[in-house]
Amino acid sequence: DTGVSQDPRHKITKRGQNVTFRCDPISEHNRLYWYRQTLGQGPEFLTYFQNEAQLEKSRLLSDRFSAERPKGSFSTLEIQRTEQGDSAMYLCASNLPGNTDTQYFGPGTRLTVL
Amino acid sequence: RKEVEQDPGPFNVPEGATVAFNCTYSNSASQSFFWYRQDCRKEPKLLMSVYSSGNEDGRFTAQLNRASQYISLLIRDSKLSDSATYLCVVNKGAGSYQLTFGKGTKLSVIP
Repeated sequence: DTGVSQDPRHKITKRGQNVTFRCDPISEHNRLYWYRQTLGQGPEFLTYFQNEAQLEKSRLLSDRFSAERPKGSFSTLEIQRTEQGDSAMYLCASNLPGNTDTQYFGPGTRLTVL
Repeated sequence: RKEVEQDPGPFNVPEGATVAFNCTYSNSASQSFFWYRQDCRKEPKLLMSVYSSGNEDGRFTAQLNRASQYISLLIRDSKLSDSATYLCVVNKGAGSYQLTFGKGTKLSVIP
């Protein structure tokens, strides 16, 4: 499968715990995006990388959230001290420059904070 | 005003019907426009890009009116497999790769 992959697909954690999600973009896609989607809403932009550089961050990305893409390939999104309001689907997307901004999404990681 | 507003739905239509979705956006700097489709508990997938000249892909036609900041999607001869949530998407503007999604409009095509 050459699409965007995410791991894990589901995560259940207790409030206050830290969680980390991984995204592997489509090979050679140098742009990678993280979004969050809650029930009944469209995806909301969190952050964007071009290669290893984090170029844009949403105000939604509080200081408990950190994203990295150390080698310009896969990315991780960490949430520290999780809160119940963090429960959502976390989606990763990737694309190439000059691709009319079309983004290809992974299957998402569904986070449930108890 | 929300950045991207869509018909609240849901739309329940019989097979073979024609259905139209409307969307307005508030950021006049937006340069790229899309319709994405999202099946229940799945990731969004690009349905089509939207251009000022309008574009058609089989049974699907998208229109963009920049002056009115309005986007539409028309589905003709609806199929059961068209049942999904349709997301109107715009970018933040020149130099930004952020996409802003509407809440989506749910379509159910009924036999």
